[in-house]
Amino acid sequence: NAGVTQTPKFRILKIGQSMTLQCTQDMNHNYMYWYRQDPGMGLKLIYYSVGAGITDKGEVPNGYNVSRSTTEDFPLRLELAAPSQTSVYFCASSFPETGIQPQHFGDGTRLSIL
Amino acid sequence: TQLLEQSPQFLSIQEGENLTVYCNSSSVFSSLQWYRQEPGEGPVLLVTVVTGGEVKKLKRLTFQFGDARKDSSLHITAAQPGDTGLYLCAGEGNNAGNMLTFGGGTRLMVKP
Repeated sequence: NAGVTQTPKFRILKIGQSMTLQCTQDMNHNYMYWYRQDPGMGLKLIYYSVGAGITDKGEVPNGYNVSRSTTEDFPLRLELAAPSQTSVYFCASSFPETGIQPQHFGDGTRLSIL
Repeated sequence: TQLLEQSPQFLSIQEGENLTVYCNSSSVFSSLQWYRQEPGEGPVLLVTVVTGGEVKKLKRLTFQFGDARKDSSLHITAAQPGDTGLYLCAGEGNNAGNMLTFGGGTRLMVKP
């Protein structure tokens, strides 16, 4: 059981380039999330999805886009990379149950914009 | 916007010492989750507390949820080098996406 898989693990981009961070989960979870984590800090929510075809903004959505065409996949796209987007990006998923919503995280994508 | 203040930010202690990490907010959360994160990996859930005043124990780790469900603490007894890592608290609010608000994290180093 793979859980949440993120690719790539590392990437260096030049300013202005674009890329897609991939995230897939095999737990049939409805809810999926994208976070960014800056050095020594907690996680900030970029976008989330409560099911296929439904996405919504989190705390820091500017400069990013998402789509959710299937339950399994939730890619995050950077259209015009900026140095401020240098961070570690985590994808997570959860299956809503009454009162308890633990999230399962991937191992992250470390992205540097130079 | 719900905020979670976590303290201390950094903690370096000797093996065998006890420590407490605090997570405070002015907002009420429906649950409070504690995660542990090691370098190069994603956070892994340690425990979820749901009821005000709830106490949960996980071996040498004791988690408490405040009576008003606005704060939580993590106490580690007789810390070991294997406890080294980043500890994150996260509050779940009453929102459609069951979104979590994360604290800034406590980086713990336990020296042998």
